[in-house]
Amino acid sequence: EPEVTQTPSHQVTQMGQEVILRCVPISNHLYFYWYRQILGQKVEFLVSFYNNEISEKSEIFDDQFSVERPDGSNFTLKIRSTKLEDSAMYFCASMAGGRTDTQYFGPGTRLTVL
Amino acid sequence: KQEVTQIPAALSVPEGENLVLNCSFTDSAIYNLQWFRQDPGKGLTSLLLIQSSQREQTSGRLNASLDKSSGRSTLYIAASQPGDSATYLCAVYSGNTPLVFGKGTRLSVIA
Repeated sequence: EPEVTQTPSHQVTQMGQEVILRCVPISNHLYFYWYRQILGQKVEFLVSFYNNEISEKSEIFDDQFSVERPDGSNFTLKIRSTKLEDSAMYFCASMAGGRTDTQYFGPGTRLTVL
Repeated sequence: KQEVTQIPAALSVPEGENLVLNCSFTDSAIYNLQWFRQDPGKGLTSLLLIQSSQREQTSGRLNASLDKSSGRSTLYIAASQPGDSATYLCAVYSGNTPLVFGKGTRLSVIA
């Protein structure tokens, strides 16, 4: 069964460093998302991406964040200058069609900022 | 702003029991509601998706219902097993935010 994959599974970085989290969505899906979950808290929406551009973003997704689909398969989240509070589990998700479809989540990348 | 609440926060039951997890949301103008399972330190596994026009969905021992007008959904698990132990998350798709999540119910099924 097709699945969303994410790399790395765990990333440790120093405050102020740039990180890139990678995702391979399910092929033929058209909508892509990033969510995050700070330890012990709710899963929060960051950004959605469709047709090679951002379609929606939350207040969390400020200028420090960016997303890209550099080729036909990868979907990346970049954090330019990490802060301690960026430590969280980051989930990528993809969806085939519109708002009535199921979102499929990847296993997540645990980001630890020291 | 949509808010999703799940009750109870934690639940412990003996194996074999039937149980109900509750989810409520503040804005009834939703497109759909999705139930997920999350194992510790892992990703989210989609269990059931209910469209706003539907009343319930079933998959195996799981049955989810939706009462959109009252802003409520329930997840019913029949004949619970130790392997069902996990955190169950409810999420709604409404407005411009693809999914708004509740904090989850942590379920422990004791053998």
